[in-house]
Amino acid sequence: SQTIHQWPATLVQPVGSPLSLECTVEGTSNPNLYWYRQAAGRGLQLLFYSVGIGQISSEVPQNLSASRPQDRQFILSSKKLLLSDSGFYLCAWSVKLDSGFSYEQYFGPGTRLTVT
Amino acid sequence: DQQVKQNSPSLSVQEGRISILNCDYTNSMFDYFLWYKKYPAEGPTFLISISSIKDKNEDGRFTVFLNKSAKHLSLHIVPSQPGDSAVYFCAAIRETSGSRLTFGEGTQLTVNP
Repeated sequence: SQTIHQWPATLVQPVGSPLSLECTVEGTSNPNLYWYRQAAGRGLQLLFYSVGIGQISSEVPQNLSASRPQDRQFILSSKKLLLSDSGFYLCAWSVKLDSGFSYEQYFGPGTRLTVT
Repeated sequence: DQQVKQNSPSLSVQEGRISILNCDYTNSMFDYFLWYKKYPAEGPTFLISISSIKDKNEDGRFTVFLNKSAKHLSLHIVPSQPGDSAVYFCAAIRETSGSRLTFGEGTQLTVNP
């Protein structure tokens, strides 16, 4: 069966510090991968998605970046955190079908980031 | 541009009664609509979906209704149970979007014993 891991579960970082959140998927290959953020009282906002190694699409301009160094590894980074980067970060994956379309996404447990 | 909106941030119902969660959308090109359920400090889990060519999909206690002319969908939970207390997200997707979901803001459902 497929599983998705995210770490750390919680993180408190000062403004201006770097960030690295990691997500790995097991039990599947060549998945689509996604990073979402849920700010307090808000819905889920898609930040990045990837259809393959080294292929990253950015949905929202910001000081965050994403990388996919391996097929089942997705990393969210920042060189200098802002207060507004606080939130709940979720990684997700979906099956990549031959048609190129798959609507069901599977989410990881999330990382609660607090920037102080 | 908020293409998917859930106008009720919270809903409280009694155990055993019906819970109705609502969602409105603006983009008539969406092909599928989904509901996700989220407990605190956990990732959302898929609950039920409906194709844009259908008007109803049922799975156990959960039924989703789609009214395309009104650009409105709803999730009915009958009977409601305390374990259903969670945040429910409505989401929509276009087949040409590369599997990118557009989420609503979420509705906190509380089922009281």
